[in-house]
Amino acid sequence: QVQLVESGGGVVQPGRSLRLSCAASGFTFGYYSVHWVRQAPGKGLEWVGVVSSNGNDKTYADSVKGRFTIARDNSKNTVDLQMNSLGPEDTAVYFCTRGSIVGTKRPLDYWGQGTLVTVSS
Amino acid sequence: DIQMTQSPSSLSASVGDRVTITCRASQGISNFLAWYQQKPGKVPNVLIYDASTLQSGVPSRFSGSGSGTDFTLTISSLQPEDAATYYCQKYDSVPRTFGQGTKVEIK
Repeated sequence: QVQLVESGGGVVQPGRSLRLSCAASGFTFGYYSVHWVRQAPGKGLEWVGVVSSNGNDKTYADSVKGRFTIARDNSKNTVDLQMNSLGPEDTAVYFCTRGSIVGTKRPLDYWGQGTLVTVSS
Repeated sequence: DIQMTQSPSSLSASVGDRVTITCRASQGISNFLAWYQQKPGKVPNVLIYDASTLQSGVPSRFSGSGSGTDFTLTISSLQPEDAATYYCQKYDSVPRTFGQGTKVEIK
């Protein structure tokens, strides 16, 4: 079955960096885009960014542009979210989600369980 | 960027009630609209996609309608297990903006 498993969350000081990873299985990983979505404690869902199926195209929310970078390794079925210059506003559960096959537009149909990032001194 | 506005932000209804949640896009998005349900402490799940297509396994009391800028999620007969927060999301293009959510409580 389709699985997405995030790792790498934890407590980090403001201004520091953290890298999250997402390991995928149960589907042809290289066919699908992968999105990151976050949810601050007690708040709604916020779309963070996406990497295309081949890794060449990436788009980010304005709130993280220039600080966050998404990269994928289709040989390992993994996606990383590199987060730099973290601030308290980045405190959230970060979800890795499956997007669309190239040429299609589909909702986020599979989600990982999420990993909590807490930015605090 | 296109903004997604949901209403109401919360509602309280009785078991058996018909519940309607609306989502408005600031520009047309055709029918590229999904509805998600998120129960406390759980991961969001797709209920409806392409504005009106029921995801496999989702009870038929859930339905969606709309196209362009105005969309609706309807629960025809509210059940206790429907207590959750519901989000709309556009996926016509990036950014894939979510609505702010509607919390549904059972009276």
